[in-house]
Amino acid sequence: QKEVEQDPGPLSVPEGAIVSLNCTYSNSAFQYFMWYRQYSRKGPELLMYTYSSGNKEDGRFTAQLNKASQYVSLLIRDSQPSDSATYLCAPSSNDYKLSFGAGTTVTVRA
Amino acid sequence: GAVVSQHPSRVICKSGTSVKIECRSLDFQATTMFWYRQFPKKSLMLMATSNEGSKATYEQGVEKDKFLINHASLTLSTLTVTSAHPEDSSFYICSAPPDGISYGYTFGSGTRLTVV
Repeated sequence: QKEVEQDPGPLSVPEGAIVSLNCTYSNSAFQYFMWYRQYSRKGPELLMYTYSSGNKEDGRFTAQLNKASQYVSLLIRDSQPSDSATYLCAPSSNDYKLSFGAGTTVTVRA
Repeated sequence: GAVVSQHPSRVICKSGTSVKIECRSLDFQATTMFWYRQFPKKSLMLMATSNEGSKATYEQGVEKDKFLINHASLTLSTLTVTSAHPEDSSFYICSAPPDGISYGYTFGSGTRLTVV
């Protein structure tokens, strides 16, 4: 079993749709959970950061963490073509090492 | 926020030559830098952790003699791919951990290495 698993994708949605991205993890030592967005041939950029169970909202993005179920999700509302990218779930423990899921590629059609 | 500058963004080299990739922390001091490798349509794989003033820590399966890491100052970490071969062609990315002010890890823009 991989430490971090994401929906394989790819996802293709129309502009304005809600995109839901899921991530499960098996390492209970993970304390911090990040979602990164990566455009093709670019370095990842941080979208959301959370460490406590519950919802965290930032503009059109909501990260939901459920530590009991070892599940974290990212919701994108009112999706835009500029949201077309690969989304990486990246938890870490206290050793500062990030573990990455394989990523889910999203395409938002105009 | 924290910025990590990585260059070159793209490099093509001949088999057998060495290539150096630099990562600089522009507005903060990074005592630690992580180096990742990413294959097409795959996720990031941690190669090694560089620590300023000490030897790098390599992940299992990563050849220390092929991927030389140097972290000589608090703002510069380098990865040198020695005696490069076509199978070393990949996307290499560096990352600095949270700087105590901002959350999250800051990534460089990546280097696409092609060995011909």
